[in-house]
Amino acid sequence: DAKTTQPPSMDCAEGRAANLPCNHSTISGNEYVYWYRQIHSQGPQYIIHGLKNNETNEMASLIITEDRKSSTLILPHATLRDTAVYYCIALNQAGTALIFGKGTTLSVSS
Amino acid sequence: NAGVTQTPKFQVLKTGQSMTLQCAQDMNHNSMYWYRQDPGMGLRLIYYSASEGTTDKGEVPNGYNVSRLNKREFSLRLESAAPSQTSVYFCASSVYLGTGNYEQYFGPGTRLTVT
Repeated sequence: DAKTTQPPSMDCAEGRAANLPCNHSTISGNEYVYWYRQIHSQGPQYIIHGLKNNETNEMASLIITEDRKSSTLILPHATLRDTAVYYCIALNQAGTALIFGKGTTLSVSS
Repeated sequence: NAGVTQTPKFQVLKTGQSMTLQCAQDMNHNSMYWYRQDPGMGLRLIYYSASEGTTDKGEVPNGYNVSRLNKREFSLRLESAAPSQTSVYFCASSVYLGTGNYEQYFGPGTRLTVT
């Protein structure tokens, strides 16, 4: 599975969009990009995933560049409850286990 | 539907003691996992079970054993606890739904301290 690189921390004002970047320059054609988050040492929570098209669900949007070497998770209107560690993970279709890096700590403040 | 449950929530052991962490899921998932998370770190895979009756080592299996008792339950055993095993332990289960939709759900964690 491809290695991903994320900034260690980011800040965002409440109500603004939070844009979390992820580099995965070695990603292969059959690897999906997954995003999870972990709030205050709870178990990680699934957010969204995608292959090459942009994706949106009730929690977030995922923008994947055309060359698939990077992606951005967008929380359109961040709230204080979105303060968490966000993990970007590349996983191939046959993979069975998520490999977590250190993620990005997002701090949302009022 | 409780999802993934873990017991106990907290545990303190002395060096050399043994214990078993219990995990159960009620979502009929085939695959189950044990991770550990040290302070300031991401989760690291200890062992996983792709299906009932099979188990495989992950990134950090030394000092642990696992048992996939049935489809619902996957236990993690520390035979002789060491201070380096002080960590938060997460159990997870997953199902593959096709087209890359790989849903993995995590339990609330067990906080283990070894003195």
